[in-house]
Amino acid sequence: GDSVTQMEGPVTLSEEAFLTINCTYTATGYPSLFWYVQYPGEGLQLLLKATKADDKGSNKGFEATYRKETTSFHLEKGSVQVSDSAVYFCALSGSNTGKLIFGQGTTLQVKP
Amino acid sequence: EAGVTQFPSHSVIEKGQTVTLRCDPISGHDNLYWYRRVMGKEIKFLLHFVKESKQDESGMPNNRFLAERTGGTYSTLKVQPAELEDSGVYFCASSQVRPRGFTGELFFGEGSRLTVL
Repeated sequence: GDSVTQMEGPVTLSEEAFLTINCTYTATGYPSLFWYVQYPGEGLQLLLKATKADDKGSNKGFEATYRKETTSFHLEKGSVQVSDSAVYFCALSGSNTGKLIFGQGTTLQVKP
Repeated sequence: EAGVTQFPSHSVIEKGQTVTLRCDPISGHDNLYWYRRVMGKEIKFLLHFVKESKQDESGMPNNRFLAERTGGTYSTLKVQPAELEDSGVYFCASSQVRPRGFTGELFFGEGSRLTVL
């Protein structure tokens, strides 16, 4: 079945460092790919998405490119801030119903 | 506009007891989903309501779990009797029904943490 694998955390960075969180997937067909973020004390919220190969999703300085040849959707940010500390979830949707398949989440801690 | 709200935020019960979790979706959202995250692992889909109807309950682990959505508004998820492996965080999410289908954005609640001792 479909699955998503994320790099294990926690990831600890200093402010202004470059961030990469790896995400790879296994799916039949052409899924849509997402990054969700959960800030402390809040629910998950959509960070960015890409619906077809070579699409780049971007939001709040974060970017991820849908790479079909490597079945990857790595999350990047050029300069992280303390406020980016959160848990990041990579997810895919192979259907049109809202049923998402998530990775295990990666905790990011940014220190000043 | 109020977001998705879940109650309780944390519940601690003994094995064999019953717990009922409640979710109030965003007003006007006909799609309602339950997900679960166990022991820091991946978040797994449990089921999907469209209004009051169960659209997909393929993720429900067993018949100790019962989900309802009376009148297509709030939803409850009952675990009876609870087992140790049911411990985790139960997330509720909602979204609008779109003519072209799912757009990718689910609105999640903060989750209900269940601890079974």
